[in-house]
Amino acid sequence: AQSVTQLGSHVSVSEGALVLLRCNYSSSVPPYLFWYVQYPNQGLQLLLKYTSAATLVKGINGFEAEFKKSETSFHLTKPSAHMSDAAEYFCAARQGGSEKLVFGKGTKLTVNP
Amino acid sequence: EPEVTQTPSHQVTQMGQEVILRCVPISNHLYFYWYRQILGQKVEFLVSFYNNEISEKSEIFDDQFSVERPDGSNFTLKIRSTKLEDSAMYFCASNPDRNTEAFFGQGTRLTVV
Repeated sequence: AQSVTQLGSHVSVSEGALVLLRCNYSSSVPPYLFWYVQYPNQGLQLLLKYTSAATLVKGINGFEAEFKKSETSFHLTKPSAHMSDAAEYFCAARQGGSEKLVFGKGTKLTVNP
Repeated sequence: EPEVTQTPSHQVTQMGQEVILRCVPISNHLYFYWYRQILGQKVEFLVSFYNNEISEKSEIFDDQFSVERPDGSNFTLKIRSTKLEDSAMYFCASNPDRNTEAFFGQGTRLTVV
């Protein structure tokens, strides 16, 4: 069964620093991959998605993610963190033929001034 | 911008009581989902619903759970006899077709006492 692993339940960066949130998936067949963000007291908002068209995917708010099949990874990056990026980030995968999303445990990002 | 809305935002119920969580998906969407997140754990898939029937469900979605689209706009999750371990944030989601990303509501926090 598909599983998604997010390394690091908490990541803390300084404002202006690089943000790197890690995500690995388990399937031998690359799934559709997504990053969602959850701000306090809000729902899950899609940041970006990989659907096999391009390995480097750009999303909203300056985030991007690179799909690496050899590493079964889909890490999320942003060159320069902003205070407003503080939130919880979830990586999710959906296998072709299934409708369900399989989520990682989430990474809480703190941005320090 | 259209959004998925869920009511109530927080519900407290006594163990053994029935609860109904309500969702209004985005109006032209055809696929509907319920997910839940127990505090400190992963977001977990419960059920997907298409064309007025369940299309996929997880092992969590046992006979205690049911879903319904009673009137063409609402999508409900019923838990017949709540248990303490049903306490969680419940997310509703929808999408226009199964190959696009899911749009999530803000969630209903269910507390069973």
